[in-house]
Amino acid sequence: EAGVAQSPRYKIIEKRQSVAFWCNPISGHATLYWYQQILGQGPKLLIQFQNNGVVDDSQLPKDRFSAERLKGVDSTLKIQPAKLEDSAVYLCASSFTQGGYNSPLHFGNGTRLTVT
Amino acid sequence: GENVEQHPSTLSVQEGDSAVIKCTYSDSASNYFPWYKQELGKRPQLIIDIRSNVGEKKDQRIAVTLNKTAKHFSLHITETQPEDSAVYFCAAPRSSGGYQKVTFGTGTKLQVIP
Repeated sequence: EAGVAQSPRYKIIEKRQSVAFWCNPISGHATLYWYQQILGQGPKLLIQFQNNGVVDDSQLPKDRFSAERLKGVDSTLKIQPAKLEDSAVYLCASSFTQGGYNSPLHFGNGTRLTVT
Repeated sequence: GENVEQHPSTLSVQEGDSAVIKCTYSDSASNYFPWYKQELGKRPQLIIDIRSNVGEKKDQRIAVTLNKTAKHFSLHITETQPEDSAVYFCAAPRSSGGYQKVTFGTGTKLQVIP
């Protein structure tokens, strides 16, 4: 099966600029996750979608971050305006979650964002 | 929410020795315990997982054990090789409102010395 696709692979922007990341999950995976991974740390959940609805965005800095998953397939994550502390790898993941049955996450290769 | 503690944060072993990483979780409703391996500059990938109805699972040199009473699970790597060097993350997903909420451990950086 095709894996989780993400783009771009790398992005360098200046602070206060805006940036957008794109993710296409594995076909048939209803759950899509966006994680932020700062160097040397574990992935931190930013937002989680079930189909096209948000089920968890409790750690999303909503004053600058936004995400959408129109039609319940691919998703975009946007940062506007960016801050230096947003420098991180942004990982998209998807899982086949049916009812309460937990299943593994499949990660994309991530987007490495550098804010200068 | 779920709290997942992972130890140690770093681990160095000689090639051929065994490595053990332990995670403790807080939510007794957690019933699925995956382990992910993240090589430098790459994405996390599932290496082994276990469900709560099983106490141990093995896949070649990798095994995971689960102690539900004590709420901890461990990753065991035997006959370590240099390619095992990576950061390992545990997770303790739990079901909430029909979807799974995944909390990762803080990670263990394993270095296998040739």
